[in-house]
Amino acid sequence: GQQVMQIPQYQHVQEGEDFTTYCNSSTTLSNIQWYKQRPGGHPVFLIQLVKSGEVKKQKRLTFQFGEAKKNSSLHITATQTTDVGTYFCAGKLTGGGNKLTFGTGTQLKVEL
Amino acid sequence: GAVVSQHPSWVICKSGTSVKIECRSLDFQATTMFWYRQFPKQSLMLMATSNEGSKATYEQGVEKDKFLINHASLTLSTLTVTSAHPEDSSFYICSARDTVHEQYFGPGTRLTVT
Repeated sequence: GQQVMQIPQYQHVQEGEDFTTYCNSSTTLSNIQWYKQRPGGHPVFLIQLVKSGEVKKQKRLTFQFGEAKKNSSLHITATQTTDVGTYFCAGKLTGGGNKLTFGTGTQLKVEL
Repeated sequence: GAVVSQHPSWVICKSGTSVKIECRSLDFQATTMFWYRQFPKQSLMLMATSNEGSKATYEQGVEKDKFLINHASLTLSTLTVTSAHPEDSSFYICSARDTVHEQYFGPGTRLTVT
């Protein structure tokens, strides 16, 4: 079954509100990646986190990798309509080689 | 960043026919390519991993005789959906990596089987 879960599945926000998606793995991850997929498009790489407890920022986006390397989060501050899409985490399971296991995704809709 | 292309971007075929999808790494040599399938409003599911010059490794539940993968060169992998049926209609996405690059995804191929 799906080993990497994301919550929430859907999120509707008003423009300017913050948004967070959480990614949880049943097993330890050697690294975690985040992707954004616009409707009708393909996943676009956002960032990779490798170290336990790592935090990275890209403008309004903040990414965290948990201390136990089994969970991660993506936080968007002051959402904009251009943030609309589905956000996927994807991790390399320890012992899984180079295979990426994608999370279930969180679909974000931003309303004016 | 590294560029991965797919061809065709969309295809419609009749039930029972076969369809070939190409995945190319344009500016690097991909030692490994991955094929994913994504049904509407679902996540990407890995179908198989192919290494140049060797047989593909299929994920559990993926029929290797139905989804033929060939990785004949360091820049090209092909996925052939044989005897396609309507339930094979999906978005097929490849990704490629070498020893330096993380996985870069192609733009995807939308397959519709009528």
